[in-house]
Amino acid sequence: AQKVTQAQTEISVVEKEDVTLDCVYETRDTTYYLFWYKQPPSGELVFLIRRNSFDEQNEISGRYSWNFQKSTSSFNFTITASQVVDSAVYFCALSLKTSYDKVIFGPGTSLSVIP
Amino acid sequence: SQTIHQWPATLVQPVGSPLSLECTVEGTSNPNLYWYRQAAGRGLQLLFYSVGIGQISSEVPQNLSASRPQDRQFILSSKKLLLSDSGFYLCAWRSAGGPQTQYFGPGTRLLVL
Repeated sequence: AQKVTQAQTEISVVEKEDVTLDCVYETRDTTYYLFWYKQPPSGELVFLIRRNSFDEQNEISGRYSWNFQKSTSSFNFTITASQVVDSAVYFCALSLKTSYDKVIFGPGTSLSVIP
Repeated sequence: SQTIHQWPATLVQPVGSPLSLECTVEGTSNPNLYWYRQAAGRGLQLLFYSVGIGQISSEVPQNLSASRPQDRQFILSSKKLLLSDSGFYLCAWRSAGGPQTQYFGPGTRLLVL
């Protein structure tokens, strides 16, 4: 069965601290895609990144970085020098080649950045 | 560029009343369309998806139905709302074919009283 686990329900950090959001996924498929979305208080889900299962290269985009490790089935997300605008719920998600329409979302991690 | 719209943004309805939520996408053709519900808490539940006009796949049997009367229009309906239908409804689209990313609309907050 496919599953996405985000063990951290809520995280609070002080502004300018670094924070890592954990994501662990389960699948027996060899071809799959992983995503991160951000849901600010307004509610809309904002796409952040997509990775395929054959590309384990880490990615950095400004203050955001992602660490994909197939050996541990993890796709962790780090925010460097956090800002108040980073406060949101973050979702990790999994999509399989066998069913791209049925994206499996994790339960989300609520991040609060305190000024 | 592509844009996805949802309306209304907020809705308060009495139990037993009908429901119609609309989602439209601009700037793309033949998208795959999705309806999700996010109940209290944070989990996203896929309700329906559509790969073309008139083609609807239901993921969860329930009090709701979906229709796709036009290529870029997706409607979520109910004949009689239940209290448990309250939640945040999100529409999403993605390009057909391949592992394209789903992009979400602004959502509709529904409160059934």
